[in-house]
Amino acid sequence: AQSVTQPDIHITVSEGASLELRCNYSYGATPYLFWYVQSPGQGLQLLLKYFSGDTLVQGIKGFEAEFKRSQSSFNLRKPSVHWSDAAEYFCALSGGGADGLTFGKGTHLIIQP
Amino acid sequence: DTAVSQTPKYLVTQMGNDKSIKCEQNLGHDTMYWYKQDSKKFLKIMFSYNNKELIINETVPNRFSPKSPDKAHLNLHINSLELGDSAVYFCASSQTTGTGGYTFGSGTRLTVV
Repeated sequence: AQSVTQPDIHITVSEGASLELRCNYSYGATPYLFWYVQSPGQGLQLLLKYFSGDTLVQGIKGFEAEFKRSQSSFNLRKPSVHWSDAAEYFCALSGGGADGLTFGKGTHLIIQP
Repeated sequence: DTAVSQTPKYLVTQMGNDKSIKCEQNLGHDTMYWYKQDSKKFLKIMFSYNNKELIINETVPNRFSPKSPDKAHLNLHINSLELGDSAVYFCASSQTTGTGGYTFGSGTRLTVV
């Protein structure tokens, strides 16, 4: 069965510092991988996605993620966080088709002034 | 122009009632989904549906039923509501291939009292 693990439930980062959110997956082939962000009381916004090709993917709001097949990882990074980045971040995978997304449990990002 | 829209945004109802949540997408996608986000923010797929098949997550009680009048709409009917049904329900859509990504609605917060 496919699964997504986000090992960090909460992460606290100072404003202006760099950020890395971890994501590991289990899937029998190369999955489609996604990062979504959810601000309090809001829906899910797609930050970036990986299907194939270049393993370093650029997204919106200055985020990037790197797919590492050997480590079954798809970590999200940002060089300098802003207070507005405080939110819940979800890593997800899909095998394509109509199976939809399998989500990790999310990482709650707190930004310290 | 909202890509995936859900109504209502909030729904408060008593145990035992029957309720529906509506979802519409204007993206021309051929597959639609319902997800449930529980109090711990965990997101789990409930259904996926395109014009060919309905895929049901086996853990979903049969009190929940999706109904699709056409390709752009997927409504969620819930019978005999229980306290444990309180959650945020998200509608989403994609092309069946999944390569275009998945677009989510803003969610419906259901509270059963």
